[in-house]
Amino acid sequence: AQSVTQLGSHVSVSEGALVLLRCNYSSSVPPYLFWYVQYPNQGLQLLLKYTSAATLVKGINGFEAEFKKSETSFHLTKPSAHMSDAAEYFCAVRAAGTALIFGKGTTLSVSS
Amino acid sequence: SQTIHQWPATLVQPVGSPLSLECTVEGTSNPNLYWYRQAAGRGLQLLFYSVGIGQISSEVPQNLSASRPQDRQFILSSKKLLLSDSGFYLCAWSTGSDYGYTFGSGTRLTVV
Repeated sequence: AQSVTQLGSHVSVSEGALVLLRCNYSSSVPPYLFWYVQYPNQGLQLLLKYTSAATLVKGINGFEAEFKKSETSFHLTKPSAHMSDAAEYFCAVRAAGTALIFGKGTTLSVSS
Repeated sequence: SQTIHQWPATLVQPVGSPLSLECTVEGTSNPNLYWYRQAAGRGLQLLFYSVGIGQISSEVPQNLSASRPQDRQFILSSKKLLLSDSGFYLCAWSTGSDYGYTFGSGTRLTVV
């Protein structure tokens, strides 16, 4: 079975600062890992995904994530936060033939 | 291109009333379809998924049911709503060739 733990339900950064959102996964088989972003009262938008190719994955809006098997982590980063990055972020895991399992989400606040 | 439509966007229903939320996908055939519920502070909970017409898998026991009368149509229903059914309901689809999901814009259900 797969599971995802997002460390920190709320992260606050200043505009221009590094964004780091943490995600650890558990999976008995090689996982596929995803990060989604959700703006208020909207659906989820895919930021990036890891599907066993390169361990450093680049996504939209300047975000990237690195798959670290030894640490069972898939943390999301962005070098410089922008006000428009304020949203809720979800990490998710999926194994072949199974449904996507989400973490509980991390709300990112960006202050000027 | 593929699109997913979900409606209505918002809904306020009294306790004990019926519910029908509809989701349709365009531009693909034989998609896997999913219903998720998002409650405040609880992340996304998978409710139902379907791999084909008439094939429904339920992830959690609840007051809701799902049906797939056509290949690209997925319906979430309830005969009698409870207060605890309030939340943000999201429909999603995926294909076997892409392990990510594409989400609809969601329905905000408030049971009063």
